[in-house]
Amino acid sequence: QQQVKQSPQSLIVQKGGISIINCAYENTAFDYFPWYQQFPGKGPALLIAIRPDVSEKKEGRFTISFNKSAKQFSLHIMDSQPGDSATYFCAASWGYQKVTFGIGTKLQVIP
Amino acid sequence: EAQVTQNPRYLITVTGKKLTVTCSQNMNHEYMSWYRQDPGLGLRQIYYSMNVEVTDKGDVPEGYKVSRKEKRNFPLILESPSPNQTSLYFCASSGAAGQGSYNSPLHFGNGTRLTVT
Repeated sequence: QQQVKQSPQSLIVQKGGISIINCAYENTAFDYFPWYQQFPGKGPALLIAIRPDVSEKKEGRFTISFNKSAKQFSLHIMDSQPGDSATYFCAASWGYQKVTFGIGTKLQVIP
Repeated sequence: EAQVTQNPRYLITVTGKKLTVTCSQNMNHEYMSWYRQDPGLGLRQIYYSMNVEVTDKGDVPEGYKVSRKEKRNFPLILESPSPNQTSLYFCASSGAAGQGSYNSPLHFGNGTRLTVT
């Protein structure tokens, strides 16, 4: 049973466009929502994270939007670049490192 | 350089032949864990360790063993591998939590691709 549902599984975006990846959760005990970025042949690396008391967090071209009442959060990548092509995982955690991951979204940004 | 090192990167073995995948971190992290990554299933936790001699099962522990005798090392042991354990494996570590209950990020190794025939 997937505790964090992530969509889409794959995404193709034109260079300069906006990439949007959505995640939904059920467990209201989750208190930390990180996104990880994974390039081929590498392990995932933390990209950006948000706490549930904040509705939006922006770091450069990457923004997390968080809707606590709907139990949904999303990653927006503005001005998407070919170098952003990677697999993105949303995650949710509670307690100390009790982390559950989404299934991942493979993003391809085409020139 | 702060890192999590896994070895080997690639491993092909046969059913039933015991194997160990090593994981070492140089960040003095208390927390370490193992994940497997499969298409359409994302990352699933196998085992984790909160500190030396403290380990616990994750979501998919069957067929795996771990030990944590030293803070820096957390090997994954498959005593009798089967084809359904063919997967991409990641070790990760993390330091103490940050402010309040919020977690510090997981630092992942570069993975071990295991094929069991």
